[in-house]
Amino acid sequence: NAGVTQTPKFQVLKTGQSMTLQCAQDMNHNSMYWYRQDPGMGLRLIYYSASEGTTDKGEVPNGYNVSRLNKREFSLRLESAAPSQTSVYFCASSESYGQGPPYQETQYFGPGTRLLVL
Amino acid sequence: QKEVEQDPGPLSVPEGAIVSLNCTYSNSAFQYFMWYRQYSRKGPELLMYTYSSGNKEDGRFTAQVDKSSKYISLFIRDSQPSDSATYLCAMRISDMRFGAGTRLTVKP
Repeated sequence: NAGVTQTPKFQVLKTGQSMTLQCAQDMNHNSMYWYRQDPGMGLRLIYYSASEGTTDKGEVPNGYNVSRLNKREFSLRLESAAPSQTSVYFCASSESYGQGPPYQETQYFGPGTRLLVL
Repeated sequence: QKEVEQDPGPLSVPEGAIVSLNCTYSNSAFQYFMWYRQYSRKGPELLMYTYSSGNKEDGRFTAQVDKSSKYISLFIRDSQPSDSATYLCAMRISDMRFGAGTRLTVKP
């Protein structure tokens, strides 16, 4: 199992350029997430998808769009990159277990994409 | 005020020391509490997962949750150089809220 994979690992953009960050998981999880990690801010949720065909905004969605292409893949798009979007981006997937509550849920993270916007 | 507060450190201890990492939070609705470990230039990985108040132990790691004080802790016994990483607390009702992370260095 590869777990959660992300491409690219590193990217430099100029202000105004667009790009798509790709994420795939092979654990058959229903839920997938996109986070950004900035110094002193921790991880902040951008968008999530509770199941194939659904997406919802997280804490910091402005400037981003997402697509849940199928159960395995969840992409994040920057339409017009800004220097404030310089960050490390993590994709994660999870599944809830148990008859609950409490429900056991583990989020598995990818290795991250380091994005620099000049 | 942030929903989840975590001292960023850095924290440096000698090998074998007991490490205490802490977070406070403001939203009393949080029910699930987690600790993640993140090595440099890697994604976070789950260390401990607890529901509501109480203690949970797993090997050298103990997680404590005090909902009345809105305070959670992670204790690492007999710390090893391989424990050197950034530790993130996290909590959720539906979606997750993370602390900023505490960078820990365990010196041989």
